[in-house]
Amino acid sequence: ETGVTQTPRHLVMGMTNKKSLKCEQHLGHNAMYWYKQSAKKPLELMFVYSLEERVENNSVPSRFSPECPNSSHLFLHLHTLQPEDSALYLCASSQDRAFGYTFGSGTRLTVV
Amino acid sequence: EDQVTQSPEALRLQEGESSSLNCSYTVSGLRGLFWYRQDPGKGPEFLFTLYSAGEEKEKERLKATLTKKESFLHITAPKPEDSATYLCAVQMRTSYDKVIFGPGTSLSVIP
Repeated sequence: ETGVTQTPRHLVMGMTNKKSLKCEQHLGHNAMYWYKQSAKKPLELMFVYSLEERVENNSVPSRFSPECPNSSHLFLHLHTLQPEDSALYLCASSQDRAFGYTFGSGTRLTVV
Repeated sequence: EDQVTQSPEALRLQEGESSSLNCSYTVSGLRGLFWYRQDPGKGPEFLFTLYSAGEEKEKERLKATLTKKESFLHITAPKPEDSATYLCAVQMRTSYDKVIFGPGTSLSVIP
């Protein structure tokens, strides 16, 4: 596979569930990101990892917990979410954080 | 306050009818400006990076330009497959990770 792969593509979860989103990049990039895209709102940066270390946590609620075990994989662990957390969650990667991102296709999350 | 706006919000063009999309920004310091294309149900696809006023980049029917306060994405003789939402994003000079996305312009090209 090439590019940035996200799984699952769609996820429906209850407010008391725990689930995880997975992202894998096959580009040899050294930075990975989680973005949230809600209807009628611009993309919002959630987390940045550079060389597997978190460098940015953009005031995201603790019910979202990122994990970056190596430079190719990124997870977003979800627990006790709210309906307003329903959105498209996008993973992206880049080389050296200074350049344009390569995005995955996203996970469409619905919290019921 | 740092801000990125895009206009128009939506644009309908006949096939072959050239036009321009606008991205205006008010930021304390620009490192780079990015253009992306997003198709429904997919993540954004990187198109261009512009770093300094006067710079231009081209790709097929698209040309991006940059001034000190705005960027334009010119679409020449568009085709229906150019229909998508076009996003611009500004990367701040103060931090690589301070990237502000605009709300996007939804483009529809009618055959």
